[in-house]
Amino acid sequence: AQSVTQLGSHVSVSEGALVLLRCNYSSSVPPYLFWYVQYPNQGLQLLLKYTSAATLVKGINGFEAEFKKSETSFHLTKPSAHMRDAAEYFCAVSSDTGRRALTFGSGTRLQVQP
Amino acid sequence: GAGVSQSPSNKVTEKGKDVELRCDPISGHTALYWYRQSLGQGLEFLIYFQGNSAPDKSGLPSDRFSAERTGGSVSTLTIQRTQQEDSAVYLCASSLGQRGADTQYFGPGTRLTVL
Repeated sequence: AQSVTQLGSHVSVSEGALVLLRCNYSSSVPPYLFWYVQYPNQGLQLLLKYTSAATLVKGINGFEAEFKKSETSFHLTKPSAHMRDAAEYFCAVSSDTGRRALTFGSGTRLQVQP
Repeated sequence: GAGVSQSPSNKVTEKGKDVELRCDPISGHTALYWYRQSLGQGLEFLIYFQGNSAPDKSGLPSDRFSAERTGGSVSTLTIQRTQQEDSAVYLCASSLGQRGADTQYFGPGTRLTVL
C-alpha cells in the first residue's frame, strides 16, 4: 500500500519569499512521485515528477523538488513566490506494481500575500 | 493538441436519479482513470482502464457506480440512484501507457450536485 502526507493544509507566504510545501510518502516498492497544481475551477496540471533518474527534479514555473529516500520526502520549493502561484498543490505517488492509479495527499493551499 | 475533455461541466440532479458523465481522453492514450474530488475525502481513485484489459474497479465506492470505455477511447461513468454524498467533482485522466511513471493528464472535471 502507498500513502502520501502533506503537512500543512494552508501555507501563506509573501510575494518574493521562499515557497516550501512538504510531502512525505510511504511505499513498499520503488515509488514514482508527482506534484500537481490546481487553479480555481480547473483540473490538475503536472508541475514535475520523479521517476528514479535525478533526485533533484526541476518543473514548470520555477518549481523544483528533491527526492530524499532516507527521509521518504519529496518537498516542493520555489525560491521566489509570485501572486500567480496561489493555488492548491497536490503530492501523489504511484508505482509499477499493484494499482497504477495515483494516490494523492490531502493538498496544500498556497496563499501569496502582496 | 487537444487535452482531456469532460462533459457536462456541471450537473445538478435530484436524489435517486441516474447520471452519466463523459470523458474524452487524449488521442492515442491507452490508459484512462476516473477520480473523485470532494471536500471530505480529497482526491480518490475510482476506476482504471488499460487497453483491452479488464478494468481495475477497486476504487468504486458502491455498486451504484459503474463505468465503461468504448472502442478504447471515450469513457462513461454512470451513477445510479444518486445520493447526496455523491456530490463531488469527478475528474478523468489519461496517460500514454500503463507504467506508474507515465504522466496522467487531467480534464477540467464534472461538478455533480445531488439535491
